[in-house]
Amino acid sequence: QKEVEQDPGPLSVPEGAIVSLNCTYSNSAFQYFMWYRQYSRKGPELLMYTYSSGNKEDGRFTAQVDKSSKYISLFIRDSQPSDSATYLCATTDSWGKLQFGAGTQVVVTP
Amino acid sequence: EPEVTQTPSHQVTQMGQEVILRCVPISNHLYFYWYRQILGQKVEFLVSFYNNEISEKSEIFDDQFSVERPDGSNFTLKIRSTKLEDSAMYFCASSEDRSGYTFGSGTRLTVV
Repeated sequence: QKEVEQDPGPLSVPEGAIVSLNCTYSNSAFQYFMWYRQYSRKGPELLMYTYSSGNKEDGRFTAQVDKSSKYISLFIRDSQPSDSATYLCATTDSWGKLQFGAGTQVVVTP
Repeated sequence: EPEVTQTPSHQVTQMGQEVILRCVPISNHLYFYWYRQILGQKVEFLVSFYNNEISEKSEIFDDQFSVERPDGSNFTLKIRSTKLEDSAMYFCASSEDRSGYTFGSGTRLTVV
């Protein structure tokens, strides 16, 4: 069983729509949850980081964690063509090694 | 904003040769990592480094690989006797407290 599962997409949405991304994880030891954005042939860029269950908002981005169901989500409001990228979920236990999902390719069409 | 710097951005090497990938982590960070991403695949953990020693390594990180922090600023990944399947993007990351990792832009390694 993969430690972090993420639908690779692609996910295509019109400009202005809400982008909804999600991942599931299997290991209850995971404590920290992150969302990264990655443009082609670039390094992952940290978007959101959260520790506890619940919601965390930062501008147009909302990260959601449900530890009881081992489910993490990222919502992007008012999506823009510049949001087109691959979005990676990642988790880590207390040792700090990140486990990444496969990444979901998002395409926002004007 | 502080960033992690990696050099070179692209390295082409012949199979069997040794390569050294270089990274300058963010100056006040204490935890350092190498990850790799084979084209079209997920980002994979290779090794973590703290207090001048390896704290964890993956099964990918075998005797072919080594890491060093030769001075107070650089963090290197050495790959001995490269193989075709070592071709990938290699990312260095650093963290102040094992959360909120900052990644570099990566080194694209092509083994021919």
